[in-house]
Amino acid sequence: DQQVKQNSPSLSVQEGRISILNCDYTNSMFDYFLWYKKYPAEGPTFLISISSIKDKNEDGRFTVFLNKSAKHLSLHIVPSQPGDSAVYFCAATYDYKLSFGAGTTVTVRA
Amino acid sequence: KAGVTQTPRYLIKTRGQQVTLSCSPISGHRSVSWYQQTPGQGLQFLFEYFSETQRNKGNFPGRFSGRQFSNSRSEMNVSTLELGDSALYLCASSPRDSGGTQYFGPGTRLTVL
Repeated sequence: DQQVKQNSPSLSVQEGRISILNCDYTNSMFDYFLWYKKYPAEGPTFLISISSIKDKNEDGRFTVFLNKSAKHLSLHIVPSQPGDSAVYFCAATYDYKLSFGAGTTVTVRA
Repeated sequence: KAGVTQTPRYLIKTRGQQVTLSCSPISGHRSVSWYQQTPGQGLQFLFEYFSETQRNKGNFPGRFSGRQFSNSRSEMNVSTLELGDSALYLCASSPRDSGGTQYFGPGTRLTVL
Protein backbone atom coordinates (compact mmCIF):
# COMPACT_ATOMS: atom_id res chain seq x y z
CA ASP A 1 0.00 0.00 0.00
CA GLN A 2 1.69 3.16 -1.22
CA GLN A 3 1.07 5.72 1.53
CA VAL A 4 3.25 8.40 -0.02
CA LYS A 5 2.75 9.26 -3.66
CA GLN A 6 4.67 11.37 -6.10
CA ASN A 7 2.54 11.45 -9.20
CA SER A 8 4.99 13.26 -11.45
CA PRO A 9 7.85 10.95 -12.46
CA SER A 10 9.78 13.77 -14.07
CA LEU A 11 10.14 17.54 -14.16
CA SER A 12 12.15 19.68 -16.55
CA VAL A 13 12.88 23.28 -15.62
CA GLN A 14 15.06 26.05 -16.96
CA GLU A 15 18.01 27.22 -14.92
CA GLY A 16 17.08 30.14 -12.69
CA ARG A 17 13.37 29.29 -12.62
CA ILE A 18 11.38 27.70 -9.83
CA SER A 19 11.07 23.93 -9.46
CA ILE A 20 7.94 22.71 -7.69
CA LEU A 21 7.73 19.09 -6.63
CA ASN A 22 4.54 17.63 -5.24
CA CYS A 23 3.73 14.79 -2.91
CA ASP A 24 0.49 13.37 -1.52
CA TYR A 25 0.03 11.06 1.45
CA THR A 26 -2.75 9.01 2.91
CA ASN A 27 -1.69 8.22 6.49
CA SER A 28 -2.82 10.98 8.85
CA MET A 29 -0.53 9.55 11.55
CA PHE A 30 2.64 10.71 9.78
CA ASP A 31 4.40 13.12 12.12
CA TYR A 32 7.36 14.29 10.09
CA PHE A 33 7.89 14.90 6.39
CA LEU A 34 11.18 15.02 4.54
CA TRP A 35 12.66 15.56 1.11
CA TYR A 36 15.73 13.73 -0.09
CA LYS A 37 17.85 14.12 -3.19
CA LYS A 38 19.45 11.08 -4.75
CA TYR A 39 21.99 10.28 -7.41
CA PRO A 40 22.25 6.80 -8.94
CA ALA A 41 24.12 4.23 -6.84
CA GLU A 42 24.34 6.63 -3.88
CA GLY A 43 22.39 6.99 -0.68
CA PRO A 44 19.71 9.69 -0.45
CA THR A 45 20.93 13.07 0.79
CA PHE A 46 18.68 14.88 3.26
CA LEU A 47 17.47 18.25 1.99
CA ILE A 48 14.79 19.64 4.23
CA SER A 49 12.07 18.49 6.61
CA ILE A 50 8.92 19.75 8.26
CA SER A 51 7.06 18.69 11.35
CA SER A 52 3.37 17.90 11.04
CA ILE A 53 2.57 20.81 13.35
CA LYS A 54 4.00 23.37 10.91
CA ASP A 55 2.94 24.48 7.45
CA LYS A 56 6.17 25.89 6.06
CA ASN A 57 9.89 25.48 6.49
CA GLU A 58 12.57 27.33 4.58
CA ASP A 59 16.27 26.62 4.18
CA GLY A 60 18.14 28.67 1.62
CA ARG A 61 16.81 27.90 -1.84
CA PHE A 62 14.55 25.15 -0.53
CA THR A 63 11.09 25.66 0.96
CA VAL A 64 8.72 22.90 1.98
CA PHE A 65 4.99 23.50 2.36
CA LEU A 66 2.61 21.20 4.20
CA ASN A 67 -1.16 21.24 3.77
CA LYS A 68 -2.49 18.76 6.30
CA SER A 69 -6.12 19.12 5.36
CA ALA A 70 -5.29 18.17 1.78
CA LYS A 71 -2.60 15.68 2.84
CA HIS A 72 -0.27 17.41 0.43
CA LEU A 73 3.39 18.35 0.58
CA SER A 74 5.43 20.38 -1.85
CA LEU A 75 9.06 21.38 -2.30
CA HIS A 76 10.01 24.64 -3.97
CA ILE A 77 13.54 25.17 -5.26
CA VAL A 78 14.33 28.76 -6.17
CA PRO A 79 16.34 29.44 -8.25
CA SER A 80 16.97 26.08 -9.87
CA GLN A 81 20.59 25.29 -10.66
CA PRO A 82 22.18 22.62 -12.91
CA GLY A 83 23.48 20.81 -9.82
CA ASP A 84 19.89 20.29 -8.71
CA SER A 85 19.41 17.70 -11.45
CA ALA A 86 18.73 14.47 -9.55
CA VAL A 87 15.91 12.27 -8.30
CA TYR A 88 13.93 13.80 -5.44
CA PHE A 89 12.10 11.63 -2.95
CA CYS A 90 9.35 12.71 -0.62
CA ALA A 91 9.22 10.72 2.63
CA ALA A 92 7.16 10.62 5.79
CA THR A 93 7.73 9.04 9.18
CA TYR A 94 5.52 7.18 11.59
CA ASP A 95 6.34 4.47 14.09
CA TYR A 96 10.09 4.72 13.47
CA LYS A 97 9.93 4.06 9.76
CA LEU A 98 10.25 6.18 6.66
CA SER A 99 7.78 5.67 3.83
CA PHE A 100 9.03 6.96 0.49
CA GLY A 101 7.35 8.16 -2.64
CA ALA A 102 8.45 6.79 -6.00
CA GLY A 103 10.59 9.82 -6.76
CA THR A 104 10.60 12.66 -9.29
CA THR A 105 13.51 13.08 -11.68
CA VAL A 106 14.37 16.75 -12.00
CA THR A 107 16.33 18.01 -14.99
CA VAL A 108 17.54 21.60 -14.94
CA ARG A 109 18.18 22.93 -18.46
CA ALA A 110 20.84 25.55 -19.07
CA LYS B 1 31.42 14.10 12.11
CA ALA B 2 31.89 11.15 9.84
CA GLY B 3 28.79 10.06 7.96
CA VAL B 4 27.09 6.71 7.91
CA THR B 5 29.42 4.05 6.56
CA GLN B 6 28.44 0.79 4.97
CA THR B 7 30.56 -2.21 4.08
CA PRO B 8 31.08 -3.72 1.66
CA ARG B 9 30.06 -1.30 -1.08
CA TYR B 10 29.62 -4.01 -3.70
CA LEU B 11 28.90 -7.68 -3.37
CA ILE B 12 28.24 -10.51 -5.80
CA LYS B 13 26.66 -13.71 -4.55
CA THR B 14 24.94 -16.71 -6.08
CA ARG B 15 21.45 -18.01 -5.39
CA GLY B 16 21.15 -19.93 -2.16
CA GLN B 17 24.06 -18.24 -0.45
CA GLN B 18 23.73 -15.91 2.50
CA VAL B 19 25.13 -12.43 2.97
CA THR B 20 25.85 -10.07 5.86
CA LEU B 21 25.98 -6.31 5.39
CA SER B 22 27.39 -3.91 7.93
CA CYS B 23 26.50 -0.36 8.90
CA SER B 24 28.20 2.11 11.23
CA PRO B 25 25.94 5.03 12.16
CA ILE B 26 26.95 8.62 12.72
CA SER B 27 28.60 8.98 16.10
CA GLY B 28 25.97 9.54 18.78
CA HIS B 29 23.09 8.22 16.70
CA ARG B 30 21.31 5.33 18.34
CA SER B 31 18.65 4.56 15.78
CA VAL B 32 19.60 2.58 12.69
CA SER B 33 17.25 1.67 9.86
CA TRP B 34 17.67 -0.45 6.75
CA TYR B 35 16.06 0.02 3.35
CA GLN B 36 16.06 -1.84 0.06
CA GLN B 37 15.98 0.02 -3.23
CA THR B 38 15.04 -1.73 -6.46
CA PRO B 39 13.92 -0.26 -9.80
CA GLY B 40 10.52 -1.89 -9.52
CA GLN B 41 9.67 -1.31 -5.84
CA GLY B 42 11.54 1.88 -5.05
CA LEU B 43 12.77 2.44 -1.50
CA GLN B 44 11.28 -0.08 0.90
CA PHE B 45 11.70 -0.14 4.67
CA LEU B 46 13.24 -3.31 6.09
CA PHE B 47 13.63 -2.71 9.84
CA GLU B 48 14.67 -0.23 12.48
CA TYR B 49 16.75 -0.71 15.63
CA PHE B 50 17.23 1.41 18.68
CA SER B 51 19.39 0.39 21.64
CA GLU B 52 19.73 -3.13 20.25
CA THR B 53 15.96 -3.58 19.97
CA GLN B 54 14.02 -3.93 16.76
CA ARG B 55 11.15 -1.48 16.96
CA ASN B 56 9.58 -1.89 13.56
CA LYS B 57 9.82 -4.28 10.65
CA GLY B 58 8.76 -3.92 7.04
CA ASN B 59 6.95 -6.43 4.90
CA PHE B 60 9.84 -8.70 3.99
CA PRO B 61 10.22 -12.47 4.41
CA GLY B 62 11.99 -13.97 7.39
CA ARG B 63 15.10 -14.51 5.27
CA PHE B 64 15.86 -10.88 6.01
CA SER B 65 17.09 -10.28 9.53
CA GLY B 66 19.15 -7.76 11.39
CA ARG B 67 20.69 -6.87 14.67
CA GLN B 68 22.25 -3.95 16.44
CA PHE B 69 25.20 -4.00 18.77
CA SER B 70 25.79 -2.04 21.95
CA ASN B 71 27.95 0.49 20.05
CA SER B 72 24.94 1.10 17.71
CA ARG B 73 26.60 -0.56 14.74
CA SER B 74 24.19 -2.75 12.85
CA GLU B 75 24.25 -5.73 10.54
CA MET B 76 21.63 -7.18 8.27
CA ASN B 77 21.63 -10.72 7.00
CA VAL B 78 19.88 -12.26 4.04
CA SER B 79 19.80 -16.03 3.89
CA THR B 80 19.03 -18.29 0.94
CA LEU B 81 19.53 -15.51 -1.57
CA GLU B 82 17.17 -15.19 -4.51
CA LEU B 83 17.67 -13.34 -7.79
CA GLY B 84 15.09 -10.80 -6.69
CA ASP B 85 17.23 -9.81 -3.71
CA SER B 86 19.55 -7.95 -6.06
CA ALA B 87 19.25 -4.36 -4.92
CA LEU B 88 20.91 -1.39 -3.31
CA TYR B 89 20.71 -1.83 0.48
CA LEU B 90 20.76 1.41 2.39
CA CYS B 91 21.39 2.04 6.03
CA ALA B 92 20.30 5.23 7.77
CA SER B 93 20.89 6.58 11.24
CA SER B 94 18.93 9.06 13.29
CA PRO B 95 19.90 11.15 16.30
CA ARG B 96 16.50 10.88 17.89
CA ASP B 97 14.64 8.03 19.44
CA SER B 98 11.29 8.97 17.98
CA GLY B 99 11.59 9.32 14.24
CA GLY B 100 12.63 12.46 12.46
CA THR B 101 15.46 12.98 10.03
CA GLN B 102 17.42 9.94 8.94
CA TYR B 103 20.85 10.23 7.37
CA PHE B 104 21.79 7.66 4.79
CA GLY B 105 24.97 5.84 3.98
CA PRO B 106 26.19 5.21 0.43
CA GLY B 107 24.61 1.78 0.29
CA THR B 108 25.75 -1.74 -0.56
CA ARG B 109 25.04 -2.92 -4.07
CA LEU B 110 24.18 -6.62 -3.90
CA THR B 111 24.03 -8.65 -7.09
CA VAL B 112 22.69 -12.19 -6.92
CA LEU B 113 23.59 -14.43 -9.86
